[in-house]
Amino acid sequence: AQSVTQPDIHITVSEGASLELRCNYSYGATPYLFWYVQSPGQGLQLLLKYFSGDTLVQGIKGFEAEFKRSQSSFNLRKPSVHWSDAAEYFCAVGPTSGGSYIPTFGRGTSLIVHP
Amino acid sequence: DGGITQSPKYLFRKEGQNVTLSCEQNLNHDAMYWYRQDPGQGLRLIYYSQIVNDFQKGDIAEGYSVSREKKESFPLTVTSAQKNPTAFYLCASSIDGTDSLVNQPQHFGDGTRLSIL
Repeated sequence: AQSVTQPDIHITVSEGASLELRCNYSYGATPYLFWYVQSPGQGLQLLLKYFSGDTLVQGIKGFEAEFKRSQSSFNLRKPSVHWSDAAEYFCAVGPTSGGSYIPTFGRGTSLIVHP
Repeated sequence: DGGITQSPKYLFRKEGQNVTLSCEQNLNHDAMYWYRQDPGQGLRLIYYSQIVNDFQKGDIAEGYSVSREKKESFPLTVTSAQKNPTAFYLCASSIDGTDSLVNQPQHFGDGTRLSIL
């Protein structure tokens, strides 16, 4: 079965600083990978997704993520963080072969942005 | 605008009471899902449905029940058997619940927060 690890429970950055949120996955084949963002009291919004092709994926709100097969990672990055980016971020992995598509979510990383 | 509507936003349950959380989507999606979210635990799958009149248990189905009589609706009932129901509940949908299409990402509602009186 697939699994997702987000090693950092909390990340604190200053506004304007760069950001990298880590995501490691365990899956036997090429996974489908997603990053979602959740503002307090709201549902999840898709930031970006990777299915195949270019390993550097661009998303909304200035986010990007890079798929590294050798490291089983799909880290989320942003060059300059804004205060409005403070939220919970979830990495998810989906199966690629047969059967039901039920993504597995990581436990989330809470991003705190200091002014 | 298409989307997923969850209601109510806040819900309170008394001891021994069943409560039902509503989830409606107008995205014409086949698959729908219910997740429970607790602090520090991410999302845990309660039930999912790939097609009308069919649904499957997820990882934490005990104490919950669902129905899927219409494509656009997937209500979740939290029964009195669920001893720790206080949580944030999220409903989601996706175009297709199988891998026949390229895995489509899930769309989420804004959630229902359930608390015990």
